[in-house]
Amino acid sequence: SQTIHQWPATLVQPVGSPLSLECTVEGTSNPNLYWYRQAAGRGLQLLFYSVGIGQISSEVPQNLSASRPQDRQFILSSKKLLLSDSGFYLCAWSVRQGQSSYNSPLHFGNGTRLTVT
Amino acid sequence: AQTVTQSQPEMSVQEAETVTLSCTYDTSENNYYLFWYKQPPSRQMILVIRQEAYKQQNATENRFSVNFQKAAKSFSLKISDSQLGDTAMYFCAFSLTGANSKLTFGKGITLSVRP
Repeated sequence: SQTIHQWPATLVQPVGSPLSLECTVEGTSNPNLYWYRQAAGRGLQLLFYSVGIGQISSEVPQNLSASRPQDRQFILSSKKLLLSDSGFYLCAWSVRQGQSSYNSPLHFGNGTRLTVT
Repeated sequence: AQTVTQSQPEMSVQEAETVTLSCTYDTSENNYYLFWYKQPPSRQMILVIRQEAYKQQNATENRFSVNFQKAAKSFSLKISDSQLGDTAMYFCAFSLTGANSKLTFGKGITLSVRP
């Protein structure tokens, strides 16, 4: 069966420090990968998604970046964190459907609670 | 651009009763998918139910069912025989077909089930 691992579970970082959150998927190949952020009292906002190695699409301009060095590995990074980067970050994967009209649901990791102080 | 609106921030229901969570969306497209996700206090996002827009029949999953009104762009979730474990945030989400599952989420509603 497929599993998704996301770490760390919680992180407290000072303003201006770098960030690296990692997500890996097991039990599947060629998944679509996603990074979402959930701010307090708000829904989930799509930050990045990837349909393949080295292919990253950004949905929201920001000081965060994402990379996909391997097929099932997705990394969220920042060179200098801002206070506004605090939130709950969720990694997710779905089956890549290509041109099919079938949309695979998203499967989420357990999330990372990031607090920027 | 597509939008998803959940206008009720909080709801409460007595255990064993039925509750309906509302969701509306806006799109100019004809083919799409709608989802309800549950986020319990553990923060794990769990898929509850999915509806294809081309299907007229409302989706059901055990105690969970939807009322999909395409013309009205409404997608409500009904939870029957509410259980304490249903206490969670519930998110309505929208995805275009062929969009590689990029979901647009509503702000969510906090549901509390009272014993």
